[in-house]
Amino acid sequence: IVLTQSPGTLSLSPGERATLSCRASQTVASNFLAWYQHKPGQAPRLLIYAASNRATGIPDRFSGSGSGTDFTLTISRLEPGDFAVYYCHQYVGSPWTFGQGTKVEIK
Amino acid sequence: EVHLVESGGDLVQPGGSLRLSCAASGFTFSNYWMSWVRQAPGKGLEWVANINQDGTEMYYGDSVKGRFTISRDSAKNSLFLQMNSLRAEDTAAYYCASLDFTTIYGAKHWYFDLWGRGTLVTVSS
Repeated sequence: IVLTQSPGTLSLSPGERATLSCRASQTVASNFLAWYQHKPGQAPRLLIYAASNRATGIPDRFSGSGSGTDFTLTISRLEPGDFAVYYCHQYVGSPWTFGQGTKVEIK
Repeated sequence: EVHLVESGGDLVQPGGSLRLSCAASGFTFSNYWMSWVRQAPGKGLEWVANINQDGTEMYYGDSVKGRFTISRDSAKNSLFLQMNSLRAEDTAAYYCASLDFTTIYGAKHWYFDLWGRGTLVTVSS
């Protein structure tokens, strides 16, 4: 399954809403889709699993939605620590794949 | 404290081989599936391979299948990646990661949990 994320880069200001898209080349069964945040020099952090379930400790300004082939990660109000690269990841079956990432940068 | 520490990255010529290691500590290594994920310079994350707790199930990404072999030694709390027939496009930072899952209505939702800091593999003549 090929995952295509858009946009490639999102330039926003703190406090604004970020909407990130992840489109799959075929249906992601059982919503086997996760979102990760990745900052330079740090390990990726799990944000969302099963398309819409927040991982432990993730603030509620992060939300995931979607099913089938179209998924969205929304950050309701960007905080300074949210500027990073975000990846969607499908784990339907081997091979697992990641999207190419969306960079959320400070405008 | 939990740790995953990769080692073995190096500069290697195309067609060459390399073996990466990942030393685990601070958690019960033998209870977890493990994974290798890589990131080429300026690129995104790419899943490489998974292995189950006792090393009897292995899964590979399409770009490495037939060239790379994942293995583990739970007695030594270590994960390995044997990389053969290396290509320039294999140049990347290689990360080991532990896998965990959450069950929802009987379905296992997998996620990468702990990560190492990575080891750099450069394939170039």
